[in-house]
Amino acid sequence: NAGVTQTPKFRILKIGQSMTLQCTQDMNHNYMYWYRQDPGMGLKLIYYSVGAGITDKGEVPNGYNVSRSTTEDFPLRLELAAPSQTSVYFCASSYSGDRLVVELFFGEGSRLTVL
Amino acid sequence: GNSVTQMEGPVTLSEEAFLTINCTYTATGYPSLFWYVQYPGEGLQLLLKATKADDKGSNKGFEATYRKETTSFHLEKGSVQVSDSAVYFCALSSDYGQNFVFGPGTRLSVLP
Repeated sequence: NAGVTQTPKFRILKIGQSMTLQCTQDMNHNYMYWYRQDPGMGLKLIYYSVGAGITDKGEVPNGYNVSRSTTEDFPLRLELAAPSQTSVYFCASSYSGDRLVVELFFGEGSRLTVL
Repeated sequence: GNSVTQMEGPVTLSEEAFLTINCTYTATGYPSLFWYVQYPGEGLQLLLKATKADDKGSNKGFEATYRKETTSFHLEKGSVQVSDSAVYFCALSSDYGQNFVFGPGTRLSVLP
């Protein structure tokens, strides 16, 4: 079982460049999330999606965009990378329905450095 | 809004010592509560969870009880091992999964 798969695992960007972090899950989860984790800090929610075609902003959405065209995929787009976006990014998914909540399942993370 | 507060770290213990990491929360309704663990260089993994008041979650010798009267979900382990060295996150989920909130994490180091 693959679970939540993120690519790439590591990336170095120059200021002003753009890139997309890929995330895919094979658990048929309806909810998907993007978090960032800064050194020594907790998780901050960037964007989330409750199903295909539906996305919403989290706590720190500025400088990012997302799309959810399928249940499986939830890519995160960084436009005009800035040093403040240096972080570790985690994609996660969960199932919510029938008044039941399943825990978050996380990918292994993508470490991004902007120089 | 919902929030989670954890004891500040880092926490350093000797092997076989007793561990407590405090966690309290603020939430409307009846949230589900979770402890996640992050080993160095890895993503977060679910350690244990509890979905209603007085439930006890347990896994790998760790335990936590959902206390609604004190809005707490403290993590305990009777005898820690070096392999338990990691960062531990307390989290809650409200609105049936639409709103996960994480605490800042507590770094645990266990010395041999």
